[in-house]
Amino acid sequence: AQSVTQLDSQVPVFEEAPVELRCNYSSSVSVYLFWYVQYPNQGLQLLLKYLSGSTLVKGINGFEAEFNKSQTSFHLRKPSVHISDTAEYFCAVSDRYISGGKLIFGQGTELSVKP
Amino acid sequence: SAVISQKPSRDICQRGTSLTIQCQVDSQVTMMFWYRQQPGQSLTLIATANQGSEATYESGFVIDKFPISRPNLTFSTLTVSNMSPEDSSIYLCSVAGRGALGGYTFGSGTRLTVV
Repeated sequence: AQSVTQLDSQVPVFEEAPVELRCNYSSSVSVYLFWYVQYPNQGLQLLLKYLSGSTLVKGINGFEAEFNKSQTSFHLRKPSVHISDTAEYFCAVSDRYISGGKLIFGQGTELSVKP
Repeated sequence: SAVISQKPSRDICQRGTSLTIQCQVDSQVTMMFWYRQQPGQSLTLIATANQGSEATYESGFVIDKFPISRPNLTFSTLTVSNMSPEDSSIYLCSVAGRGALGGYTFGSGTRLTVV
């Protein structure tokens, strides 16, 4: 069964610094990969997704992620964070060849941006 | 992408009672997914609901505790039965876009508190 590991449960960072949130998934023939953000007391919002094609995916709010098949990773990056980026970030994976397949989430990474 | 209407948005229930959560989708979808998000935790898949067949439950979840109905391609319910305080969580339904190409859409969630 698919699994997702987010290597950092908490990431504190200063405003305007770069950040990388790490995500690894268990190997599969082919997968869809997602990053979601959840602001305090709010619902899930899709940041970006990898389905196929270019391994560098750009999302909303200046975030991007790179799919690395050999390392089974899908790390999320932002070159300069803002206070408003403080939130919980979830990496998720679904099996590509099962149409509408279930989405499995990582444990989440709490990003805390300090002034 | 699909739009999901989930209700109730929140409820406070007595232990030993049951609560039924409803999700209505504005388009026909093959599979619907039910998740639980315990306080401070990630999303855990409870079950996958197909129209016209029994739901498929993930390890650790059973039909007697979380019965699911899927009477048509736009509607599903999840019941949390014989509730205890440990059931206090946010419950969310989700659907996939066409073959996951559209990403996954989530309902706004039901915040359940069991007292």
